[in-house]
Amino acid sequence: QLQLQESGPGLVKPSETLSLACTVSGGPIRSTSYYWVWIRQPPGKGLEWIGSIYYGGDTYFSPSLKSRVTLSVDTSKNQFSLKLNSVTAADTAVYYCARHVLPCTTSTCSPGWFDPWGQGTLVTVSS
Amino acid sequence: EIVLTQSPGTLSLSPGERATLSCRASESVSTISSNHLAWYQQKPGQAPRLLIYGASSRATDIPDRFSGSGSGTDFTLTISRLEPEDFVMYYCQQYGSSLYTFGQGTKLEIK
Repeated sequence: QLQLQESGPGLVKPSETLSLACTVSGGPIRSTSYYWVWIRQPPGKGLEWIGSIYYGGDTYFSPSLKSRVTLSVDTSKNQFSLKLNSVTAADTAVYYCARHVLPCTTSTCSPGWFDPWGQGTLVTVSS
Repeated sequence: EIVLTQSPGTLSLSPGERATLSCRASESVSTISSNHLAWYQQKPGQAPRLLIYGASSRATDIPDRFSGSGSGTDFTLTISRLEPEDFVMYYCQQYGSSLYTFGQGTKLEIK
């Protein structure tokens, strides 16, 4: 059974860089059937997709965050990572990592739904 | 960006009743072969859990009282007989474009 676990600092100062890692267990991150995704949820609010990455390096980003986000994959650690720079209080949220399933038709494959999810980690931006 | 609008924002029902949750997309998220919409359940303090993908396919271990339907821009999540543990938040998500978006959520509360 695939499991994902987020890790990283729970408190980041304004203007600094938020860095999180997601460790995948129970299956290889180096898979042709999945992307890997970061999603966040501000306290009491809804879900926001941040970006997705394939083990080979292909990425998709939310346009609203693209200029501040870096995603990477470390297949030797079965891990993928998020960096969000120049953070403000508006970046305070629970950050989730998840597997981004890649369904295929006879002619194409395109990332779809998110399953399973990590438990999430709260990151607070404050001085 | 495809905007998903969920209604109602809050739904008040009793255990045993039938719940109908709506998700409307600002443009079609369907192709000839697929409906690119998923539903998630989120309990307080927990990560979302996939319920439905492809608008109508139940995810692994999801009870059959949960069902999804719809195509194009209009989708529905139906819970046939509400159990006490079903009174939580529900979100829809589209993957019809590579800018993945969620609805704002429907809170299912006990009447």
